[in-house]
Amino acid sequence: AQTVTQSQPEMSVQEAETVTLSCTYDTSVNNYYLFWYKQPPSRQMILVIRQEAYKQQNATENRFSVNFQKAAKSFSLKISDSQLGDTAMYFCAFMKRPGGTSYGKLTFGQGTILTVHP
Amino acid sequence: EAGVAQSPRYKIIEKRQSVAFWCNPISGHATLYWYQQILGQGPKLLIQFQNNGVVDDSQLPKDRFSAERLKGVDSTLKIQPAKLEDSAVYLCASKGTLVSEAFFGQGTRLTVV
Repeated sequence: AQTVTQSQPEMSVQEAETVTLSCTYDTSVNNYYLFWYKQPPSRQMILVIRQEAYKQQNATENRFSVNFQKAAKSFSLKISDSQLGDTAMYFCAFMKRPGGTSYGKLTFGQGTILTVHP
Repeated sequence: EAGVAQSPRYKIIEKRQSVAFWCNPISGHATLYWYQQILGQGPKLLIQFQNNGVVDDSQLPKDRFSAERLKGVDSTLKIQPAKLEDSAVYLCASKGTLVSEAFFGQGTRLTVV
């Protein structure tokens, strides 16, 4: 079974600064996806960024980027130029690549509460 | 494109009562998930459907929880009888076949008193 671990229950950052959220995972499969989801107080889970395990290049989406270390099974999220609207709970998640007998089970970590201060 | 719809948004019931939640996934999405999210924790998968078949219900407390997805579209999750520890947000999500992104509804907050 896959497990996802987020060791930082809470983080805080000043507006316009950079913050990094950590995530490690455990799996025996080779083809998978990793995700960072954002959950603001409204509860709606929103995809922030996605990484495909077979791609060596780290994914980037505007101010959000990841540091994917496949051998170390580490997947951290860097938020640059933090904004007040980034305040939310962030979840790291794992999905075995769909296909064959795999239907894409999505497993989440425990979450990190990020607070951006003005 | 319409998103994942869930209802109700909030529900308060007494312990031992029953409750049902409804989810309408994005049109054409074969995979549907139900998650339980206890306050301050990550979502826990309760059940996953592929079309109208169950592919994972290993963490569903089957003595009190049940779910169905008729015709491979809408889904309902039922709790009967409810316990205090069932107080949580219940999230529904859907995903297209052979793609990775799952889309989530706004969830139903259940309070059992």
